[in-house]
Amino acid sequence: DSGVTQTPKHLITATGQRVTLRCSPRSGDLSVYWYQQSLDQGLQFLIQYYNGEERAKGNILERFSAQQFPDLHSELNLSSLELGDSALYFCASSTHPTGTGASEQYFGPGTRLTVT
Amino acid sequence: KNQVEQSPQSLIILEGKNCTLQCNYTVSPFSNLRWYKQDTGRGPVSLTIMTFSENTKSNGRYTATLDADTKQSSLHITASQLSDSASYICVVSARAAGNKLTFGGGTRVLVKP
Repeated sequence: DSGVTQTPKHLITATGQRVTLRCSPRSGDLSVYWYQQSLDQGLQFLIQYYNGEERAKGNILERFSAQQFPDLHSELNLSSLELGDSALYFCASSTHPTGTGASEQYFGPGTRLTVT
Repeated sequence: KNQVEQSPQSLIILEGKNCTLQCNYTVSPFSNLRWYKQDTGRGPVSLTIMTFSENTKSNGRYTATLDADTKQSSLHITASQLSDSASYICVVSARAAGNKLTFGGGTRVLVKP
């Protein structure tokens, strides 16, 4: 158990809908990262937050957005869903404040999103 | 463009045998290289992290090497067990704000009895 929690575990929804995925980082971790992993694909970095502020952006679509709240939990919002958005969405957290250096990232169990 | 290439894409080995996975990267400026193990449908779990000055690191039966000059790393699994069946992902971090990581496509290892 990494200490990172994600809810829900599974989500099935229809095209065009909007969903929210939730992540709680490990106690004391200030940085949260979101990743997408499509079937048989590698992990794609979406976005990072540090202490409530957006820190880095990866391959995140405009239909997707995220935020980190004062209690440090984070939410990833996916809207106008398409079939191709079906994937595992992972959240990870780390302690290092600047995000550089050999800061360990701890991954949550993921949310499996199925768009039908 | 920062890239991480892993080989082979997949391999099958017999329980008790050793194997070596390869990772080549073009990430610059280099900060660190990580190997993760990912069981199917689960989150990746870190095996090793190596910075520029480290050229070998072990975690139980897993030993990672790093050659920063040739920009290559390897992960050696000794005396494989059935539980080693997983995807192994090489991840390289650039020395830039945000700890942005570049992920390799992974090597899928299947250990057969």
